[in-house]
Amino acid sequence: EAGVVQSPRYKIIEKKQPVAFWCNPISGHNTLYWYLQNLGQGPELLIRYENEEAVDDSQLPKDRFSAERLKGVDSTLKIQPAELGDSAVYLCASSLTSGSLETQYFGPGTRLLVL
Amino acid sequence: GNSVTQMEGPVTLSEEAFLTINCTYTATGYPSLFWYVQYPGEGLQLLLKATKADDKGSNKGFEATYRKETTSFHLEKGSVQVSDSAVYFCALSERRSYIPTFGRGTSLIVHP
Repeated sequence: EAGVVQSPRYKIIEKKQPVAFWCNPISGHNTLYWYLQNLGQGPELLIRYENEEAVDDSQLPKDRFSAERLKGVDSTLKIQPAELGDSAVYLCASSLTSGSLETQYFGPGTRLLVL
Repeated sequence: GNSVTQMEGPVTLSEEAFLTINCTYTATGYPSLFWYVQYPGEGLQLLLKATKADDKGSNKGFEATYRKETTSFHLEKGSVQVSDSAVYFCALSERRSYIPTFGRGTSLIVHP
């Protein structure tokens, strides 16, 4: 069974440029999560989707970050414009339904460097 | 709010040495506790968990006991291998909450 797929794995951009990350969850998983992992820190939840609906986006900085999950499968996370402080790893996770942490399967992440 | 504190790394050990990675937590309720492992270039993987006080989680030779009196969940392994080199994260999750709290991670380096 394929795991959570994320692309690109690495991205280098200049500040003020837009950037987008893509996530394909495990087949059949209705719940999708985006996490931010700063260097030397643990992951922090940005947004949680139940199918195509964002049910918890309280941690998402809405001035420059946006996310969508069209058709309740794949998801994209966008930053526009990117700032130096956005350099981090962006993790995607999925689970069959919303539940405790151990039900989530994590992807390898996209490592973003903003110059 | 909730928080998880882990010992700073890197932790550097020789193969077959005993491992302890300390983890303490603060929580408003009665959380479940977890250890995750992240190998280079890979996603977070659940290593073990404990859901209530005095529970012991174990997997692949790693163990951790949920100590409510000391609010701790220390990770231990009796004999580490080079293949155990990774970053280890302690985490908690409150019941009915989908927002987990992770520690900063502790890098483990095991030399042959």
